[in-house]
Amino acid sequence: AQTVTQSQPEMSVQEAETVTLSCTYDTSESDYYLFWYKQPPSRQMILVIRQEAYKQQNATENRFSVNFQKAAKSFSLKISDSQLGDAAMYFCAYRSGDTGNQFYFGTGTSLTVIP
Amino acid sequence: DTEVTQTPKHLVMGMTNKKSLKCEQHMGHRAMYWYKQKAKKPPELMFVYSYEKLSINESVPSRFSPECPNSSLLNLHLHALQPEDSALYLCASSQVDRADYEQYFGPGTRLTVT
Repeated sequence: AQTVTQSQPEMSVQEAETVTLSCTYDTSESDYYLFWYKQPPSRQMILVIRQEAYKQQNATENRFSVNFQKAAKSFSLKISDSQLGDAAMYFCAYRSGDTGNQFYFGTGTSLTVIP
Repeated sequence: DTEVTQTPKHLVMGMTNKKSLKCEQHMGHRAMYWYKQKAKKPPELMFVYSYEKLSINESVPSRFSPECPNSSLLNLHLHALQPEDSALYLCASSQVDRADYEQYFGPGTRLTVT
C-alpha cells in the first residue's frame, strides 16, 4: 500500500511570511495524483492544490505552490504571504490514477499563523 | 454551486439508538463518499458509491449501513454503535470516481455515542 508521510505535526509562521510544509510518499506506480487539502477548525475540508505525476511543472494556485520532486517522492507545499485565514490542518494526499478509489492521507500538519 | 450539505451538524446517540446521517449535493456528481475522521487524524474512507451503486466498502462494521436513494442523496444509517464510533463523519462527492476529478467535502456531522 502507498504511504504518505508528513513529518511536521505542527508549524507556525508569522503573518505575511512564507512557510513550507513537507510531504513524502512511497509508491511504485507511475500514474498518480498528489493533493494538499486544508481543514480549518470546525470547517470543511477544501482542496488547496493538485499535482499530476506526469506533469513536470509544479502546480501553483495564487499564494500556494508545490515543489514536486518525483524522483525523491517529495511534494512540499509553500504558502507565500501567509494570512490569518491560512491557519488550519493541512493534509497531503495521494491517489492512484489506476484504481482511482482510495485517498492515502498523511497524518496532517497543523499550521498556526501568528499576527 | 459547489456545496455538499450534511445534516445534522451534531448528533448524540445512545448505543441502542437508530439514527441516520444525511448528505446532499446538487452538482450532478455521480460519485459520493463517506469518511470517518477522529480528532487530529486524517479522514478514513468508509464507503464509495458510483452511479448510485456501492462500489467500495472498506471493511466497515455492519452497524453502519449506507444508502444512496438517488444521485443527489447519500444516507448513513447507524444502529447499535459503540463509543469508539464517536467521530466526525464526512461526506464528499465527485463528478465521477476518478483521481483526476476533485472531491468536494461537506462540513461533517459530529457524532457522539454515549
